[in-house]
Amino acid sequence: SAVISQKPSRDICQRGTSLTIQCQVDSQVTMMFWYRQQPGQSLTLIATANQGSEATYESGFVIDKFPISRPNLTFSTLTVSNMSPEDSSIYLCSEQGADTEAFFGQGTRLTVV
Amino acid sequence: GDSVTQMEGPVTLSEEAFLTINCTYTATGYPSLFWYVQYPGEGLQLLLKATKADDKGSNKGFEATYRKETTSFHLEKGSVQVSDSAVYFCALGNTGGFKTIFGAGTRLFVKA
Repeated sequence: SAVISQKPSRDICQRGTSLTIQCQVDSQVTMMFWYRQQPGQSLTLIATANQGSEATYESGFVIDKFPISRPNLTFSTLTVSNMSPEDSSIYLCSEQGADTEAFFGQGTRLTVV
Repeated sequence: GDSVTQMEGPVTLSEEAFLTINCTYTATGYPSLFWYVQYPGEGLQLLLKATKADDKGSNKGFEATYRKETTSFHLEKGSVQVSDSAVYFCALGNTGGFKTIFGAGTRLFVKA
């Protein structure tokens, strides 16, 4: 099973600023995923990050707002840009092989004021 | 498309009570089914899984059986503890794919 370290664990940010969230996996993985979990809600997939190619975004999410990097097979970042209070959520990264369970980082609790 | 429906919460139980959280799914093919648990302030972690019909997943006293005929994967525990208080997510893994589809989550409160 993969161990995923995600940071920061929480942050309070001013509106209009950007925050970059980092995820480090203890082994090489093909696919990494970024989710948003709004208060009291389930997980919504933001994008899938593959090494060596652009991320694939889900409907309702765009690269300008949530740019993603995947420089190698063990690391990825998600940036939340030009933040507004509506971006206050928990952001989670995960990795998953084909037909197997997902492993998650501990999440980043973001509050935008 | 594929989807997961689970019972709404919150569910409040007394310690040692019996727990059932219902989960049904819609899917093409033969998906794997999962229950994840999210403790306060933490990410999700796998609780149990089943990869084919009639499989029973179990862990920490929790059980769920993959029922293809009723497209269900209900979570049960015979005697809950205060430490089981968390949010439980039923999930479906696409056949041959990498995506996981999550249910809405059910929050469980267990009172001492």
